[in-house]
Amino acid sequence: GIQVEQSPPDLILQEGANSTLRCNFSDSVNNLQWFHQNPWGQLINLFYIPSGTKQNGRLSATTVATERYSLLYISSSQTTDSGVYFCAVEGYSTLTFGKGTMLLVSP
Amino acid sequence: IAGITQAPTSQILAAGRRMTLRCTQDMRHNAMYWYRQDLGLGLRLIHYSNTAGTTGKGEVPDGYSVSRANTDDFPLTLASAVPSQTSVYFCASSESLNTEAFFGQGTRLTVV
Repeated sequence: GIQVEQSPPDLILQEGANSTLRCNFSDSVNNLQWFHQNPWGQLINLFYIPSGTKQNGRLSATTVATERYSLLYISSSQTTDSGVYFCAVEGYSTLTFGKGTMLLVSP
Repeated sequence: IAGITQAPTSQILAAGRRMTLRCTQDMRHNAMYWYRQDLGLGLRLIHYSNTAGTTGKGEVPDGYSVSRANTDDFPLTLASAVPSQTSVYFCASSESLNTEAFFGQGTRLTVV
Protein backbone atom coordinates (compact mmCIF):
# COMPACT_ATOMS: atom_id res chain seq x y z
CA GLY A 1 0.00 0.00 0.00
CA ILE A 2 0.83 3.66 -0.10
CA GLN A 3 3.33 4.91 2.45
CA VAL A 4 2.76 8.35 4.01
CA GLU A 5 5.47 10.17 5.91
CA GLN A 6 4.97 13.42 7.76
CA SER A 7 7.58 15.80 9.07
CA PRO A 8 8.47 17.07 11.53
CA PRO A 9 6.93 14.68 14.08
CA ASP A 10 6.79 17.42 16.71
CA LEU A 11 6.92 21.20 16.55
CA ILE A 12 6.87 23.89 19.21
CA LEU A 13 6.15 27.47 18.16
CA GLN A 14 5.81 30.82 19.81
CA GLU A 15 2.49 32.46 19.11
CA GLY A 16 2.71 34.54 15.93
CA ALA A 17 5.34 32.37 14.24
CA ASN A 18 4.90 30.69 10.85
CA SER A 19 5.43 27.02 10.10
CA THR A 20 5.45 24.49 7.27
CA LEU A 21 4.41 20.89 7.67
CA ARG A 22 5.33 18.33 5.04
CA CYS A 23 3.67 15.16 3.78
CA ASN A 24 5.48 12.75 1.44
CA PHE A 25 3.73 9.83 -0.19
CA SER A 26 5.04 6.87 -2.10
CA ASP A 27 2.66 6.52 -5.05
CA SER A 28 0.17 8.38 -7.24
CA VAL A 29 -2.90 9.52 -5.35
CA ASN A 30 -6.45 10.48 -6.25
CA ASN A 31 -7.17 12.22 -2.99
CA LEU A 32 -5.16 14.05 -0.37
CA GLN A 33 -6.60 15.63 2.74
CA TRP A 34 -5.21 17.56 5.67
CA PHE A 35 -6.88 17.24 9.08
CA HIS A 36 -6.42 18.94 12.42
CA GLN A 37 -7.08 16.86 15.50
CA ASN A 38 -7.79 19.26 18.32
CA PRO A 39 -6.97 18.56 22.00
CA TRP A 40 -10.48 17.12 22.45
CA GLY A 41 -9.80 14.49 19.82
CA GLN A 42 -12.06 15.85 17.10
CA LEU A 43 -10.80 15.46 13.51
CA ILE A 44 -11.46 18.64 11.56
CA ASN A 45 -11.17 18.83 7.79
CA LEU A 46 -8.72 21.49 6.70
CA PHE A 47 -8.17 20.87 3.01
CA TYR A 48 -9.16 18.44 0.30
CA ILE A 49 -6.24 18.99 -2.08
CA PRO A 50 -5.19 16.22 -4.49
CA SER A 51 -3.27 18.87 -6.46
CA GLY A 52 -2.68 22.61 -6.60
CA THR A 53 -2.89 25.26 -3.92
CA LYS A 54 -5.70 26.31 -1.60
CA GLN A 55 -5.96 28.93 1.09
CA ASN A 56 -8.31 29.30 4.03
CA GLY A 57 -7.52 32.23 6.29
CA ARG A 58 -4.13 31.76 7.93
CA LEU A 59 -3.80 28.25 6.53
CA SER A 60 -2.80 27.25 3.04
CA ALA A 61 -1.81 23.99 1.40
CA THR A 62 0.01 22.99 -1.75
CA THR A 63 0.16 19.53 -3.28
CA VAL A 64 2.66 18.70 -6.03
CA ALA A 65 1.28 15.37 -7.14
CA THR A 66 4.02 14.69 -9.71
CA GLU A 67 6.67 14.98 -6.97
CA ARG A 68 4.52 13.17 -4.38
CA TYR A 69 4.42 15.71 -1.60
CA SER A 70 2.11 18.20 0.05
CA LEU A 71 2.83 21.16 2.30
CA LEU A 72 0.63 22.78 4.92
CA TYR A 73 1.48 26.36 5.84
CA ILE A 74 0.35 27.96 9.08
CA SER A 75 0.94 31.68 9.34
CA SER A 76 0.71 33.86 12.45
CA SER A 77 0.11 30.81 14.61
CA GLN A 78 -2.30 30.96 17.55
CA THR A 79 -2.60 28.79 20.64
CA THR A 80 -5.80 27.34 19.18
CA ASP A 81 -3.71 25.87 16.35
CA SER A 82 -2.24 23.37 18.80
CA GLY A 83 -3.00 19.74 18.17
CA VAL A 84 -2.01 17.05 15.71
CA TYR A 85 -2.04 17.62 11.96
CA PHE A 86 -2.64 14.60 9.78
CA CYS A 87 -2.11 14.12 6.10
CA ALA A 88 -4.18 11.33 4.51
CA VAL A 89 -3.91 10.05 0.95
CA GLU A 90 -6.06 7.78 -1.17
CA GLY A 91 -4.68 5.75 -4.05
CA TYR A 92 -7.05 3.11 -5.37
CA SER A 93 -9.50 2.69 -2.56
CA THR A 94 -9.30 4.14 0.91
CA LEU A 95 -7.53 6.83 2.92
CA THR A 96 -4.13 6.03 4.43
CA PHE A 97 -3.00 8.33 7.21
CA GLY A 98 0.44 9.55 8.12
CA LYS A 99 1.45 9.45 11.78
CA GLY A 100 0.90 13.18 12.14
CA THR A 101 2.77 16.28 13.29
CA MET A 102 2.11 17.32 16.87
CA LEU A 103 2.09 21.13 17.10
CA LEU A 104 2.23 23.11 20.32
CA VAL A 105 1.82 26.86 20.10
CA SER A 106 2.79 28.64 23.29
CA PRO A 107 1.56 32.13 24.23
CA ILE B 1 -27.22 19.60 11.65
CA ALA B 2 -25.87 17.29 8.97
CA GLY B 3 -22.98 15.06 9.89
CA ILE B 4 -21.85 11.81 11.41
CA THR B 5 -22.99 10.60 14.81
CA GLN B 6 -21.21 7.91 16.78
CA ALA B 7 -22.49 6.15 19.89
CA PRO B 8 -21.51 5.62 22.58
CA THR B 9 -19.01 8.41 23.23
CA SER B 10 -17.06 6.17 25.56
CA GLN B 11 -17.39 2.69 26.99
CA ILE B 12 -15.61 0.40 29.42
CA LEU B 13 -16.10 -3.22 28.44
CA ALA B 14 -15.19 -6.49 30.08
CA ALA B 15 -13.01 -8.79 27.99
CA GLY B 16 -15.00 -11.45 26.22
CA ARG B 17 -18.13 -9.32 25.90
CA ARG B 18 -19.78 -8.44 22.62
CA MET B 19 -20.05 -4.77 21.69
CA THR B 20 -21.48 -2.82 18.77
CA LEU B 21 -20.33 0.70 18.02
CA ARG B 22 -22.94 2.67 16.14
CA CYS B 23 -22.39 5.15 13.32
CA THR B 24 -25.05 7.11 11.47
CA GLN B 25 -24.65 9.74 8.78
CA ASP B 26 -27.29 11.95 7.24
CA MET B 27 -25.34 13.25 4.26
CA ARG B 28 -26.45 10.40 1.98
CA HIS B 29 -22.82 9.47 1.43
CA ASN B 30 -22.20 6.20 -0.35
CA ALA B 31 -18.89 5.31 1.30
CA MET B 32 -18.33 4.73 5.01
CA TYR B 33 -15.29 3.71 7.04
CA TRP B 34 -14.15 2.60 10.48
CA TYR B 35 -10.71 3.57 11.79
CA ARG B 36 -8.97 2.97 15.08
CA GLN B 37 -6.47 5.43 16.51
CA ASP B 38 -3.66 4.28 18.76
CA LEU B 39 -0.78 6.27 20.19
CA GLY B 40 2.24 6.06 17.93
CA LEU B 41 0.35 4.20 15.20
CA GLY B 42 -1.94 6.91 13.87
CA LEU B 43 -5.28 6.03 12.31
CA ARG B 44 -5.64 2.59 10.74
CA LEU B 45 -8.53 1.40 8.62
CA ILE B 46 -10.55 -1.51 10.02
CA HIS B 47 -13.37 -1.97 7.49
CA TYR B 48 -15.05 0.08 4.83
CA SER B 49 -18.12 0.08 2.64
CA ASN B 50 -18.33 1.52 -0.87
CA THR B 51 -22.11 1.47 -0.92
CA ALA B 52 -25.04 -0.09 0.90
CA GLY B 53 -24.85 -3.87 0.78
CA THR B 54 -21.06 -4.10 0.28
CA THR B 55 -18.18 -4.13 2.75
CA GLY B 56 -14.42 -4.58 2.54
CA LYS B 57 -11.50 -5.25 4.86
CA GLY B 58 -9.00 -2.61 5.77
CA GLU B 59 -5.56 -2.83 7.32
CA VAL B 60 -6.60 -4.27 10.72
CA PRO B 61 -9.90 -6.17 10.32
CA ASP B 62 -9.30 -9.14 12.66
CA GLY B 63 -11.72 -9.29 15.59
CA TYR B 64 -14.17 -6.86 13.97
CA SER B 65 -17.18 -7.20 11.71
CA VAL B 66 -19.38 -4.66 9.94
CA SER B 67 -22.64 -4.56 8.06
CA ARG B 68 -24.20 -2.00 5.73
CA ALA B 69 -27.91 -2.70 5.50
CA ASN B 70 -28.71 0.85 4.37
CA THR B 71 -26.97 4.05 3.30
CA ASP B 72 -27.06 5.81 6.66
CA ASP B 73 -25.83 3.22 9.16
CA PHE B 74 -22.52 1.38 9.47
CA PRO B 75 -22.22 -0.49 12.81
CA LEU B 76 -18.93 -2.03 13.95
CA THR B 77 -19.15 -5.17 16.08
CA LEU B 78 -16.54 -6.70 18.37
CA ALA B 79 -17.72 -10.29 18.82
CA SER B 80 -15.53 -11.05 21.83
CA ALA B 81 -13.56 -8.01 23.02
CA VAL B 82 -9.89 -8.28 23.98
CA PRO B 83 -7.70 -5.70 25.76
CA SER B 84 -5.74 -4.99 22.55
CA GLN B 85 -8.95 -3.54 21.13
CA THR B 86 -8.72 -0.68 23.60
CA SER B 87 -8.58 2.33 21.30
CA VAL B 88 -10.40 5.36 19.98
CA TYR B 89 -12.68 4.41 17.10
CA PHE B 90 -13.62 6.86 14.37
CA CYS B 91 -16.35 6.45 11.80
CA ALA B 92 -16.10 8.43 8.57
CA SER B 93 -18.03 8.88 5.36
CA SER B 94 -17.51 10.30 1.90
CA GLU B 95 -19.73 10.82 -1.11
CA SER B 96 -17.80 8.07 -2.86
CA LEU B 97 -14.28 6.67 -2.84
CA ASN B 98 -11.64 9.27 -3.66
CA THR B 99 -13.74 12.18 -2.44
CA GLU B 100 -13.49 14.26 0.70
CA ALA B 101 -14.03 12.26 3.90
CA PHE B 102 -15.70 13.53 7.07
CA PHE B 103 -15.26 12.07 10.54
CA GLY B 104 -17.45 11.48 13.56
CA GLN B 105 -16.44 12.57 17.04
CA GLY B 106 -15.02 9.18 18.00
CA THR B 107 -15.77 6.45 20.53
CA ARG B 108 -13.26 5.79 23.28
CA LEU B 109 -13.36 2.07 24.12
CA THR B 110 -11.51 0.48 27.02
CA VAL B 111 -11.46 -3.31 27.29
CA VAL B 112 -10.50 -4.59 30.73
